[in-house]
Amino acid sequence: EPEVTQTPSHQVTQMGQEVILRCVPISNHLYFYWYRQILGQKVEFLVSFYNNEISEKSEIFDDQFSVERPDGSNFTLKIRSTKLEDSAMYFCASRSRGSDEQYFGPGTRLTVT
Amino acid sequence: KNQVEQSPQSLIILEGKNCTLQCNYTVSPFSNLRWYKQDTGRGPVSLTIMTFSENTKSNGRYTATLDADTKQSSLHITASQLSDSASYICVVRADSWGKFQFGAGTQVVVTP
Repeated sequence: EPEVTQTPSHQVTQMGQEVILRCVPISNHLYFYWYRQILGQKVEFLVSFYNNEISEKSEIFDDQFSVERPDGSNFTLKIRSTKLEDSAMYFCASRSRGSDEQYFGPGTRLTVT
Repeated sequence: KNQVEQSPQSLIILEGKNCTLQCNYTVSPFSNLRWYKQDTGRGPVSLTIMTFSENTKSNGRYTATLDADTKQSSLHITASQLSDSASYICVVRADSWGKFQFGAGTQVVVTP
């Protein structure tokens, strides 16, 4: 069964460094999402992406964040200058046209020290 | 403000027993409500999706109910198994293609 994959599974970085989190959505899906979950807290929406542009973003998704679909398969989330409070699980999700069902990846645990 | 509140926060049950989790929401307008199961360190996996007109939906031993008038939903787990130990998250979509509003989840622990 097709699934969303994410790499790396765990990323440790120093405060102020740039990180790129990678996602490979399900191959025929056209809508892509990033969510984050700070330890012990609820899942929070970050951004949705369709047709090579951001369709919606939350207040969390400030100028430090950016998303890109550099090729036909990858979908990336970049944090330019990480802060301690960026430490969280980051989930990628995708869905196909005409379906409301989002499929989540296993997540990347980001630890900022 | 759109809110999704879940109760209880956590729950411990014996293997084989039933349990019911609650979700109250104030999200408006309402499009659909879904229940997700999230294993520790993993992404959420969809269990059920219900629209305004649906009152109940089952997926194996999981049965979700929805009362759109009172804005309440429940998830009933029948004959619990050890593998049911997970966080169960209620998620409400405000309009047809709007973003999801997540509840904080109920942590269920099934003990032998």
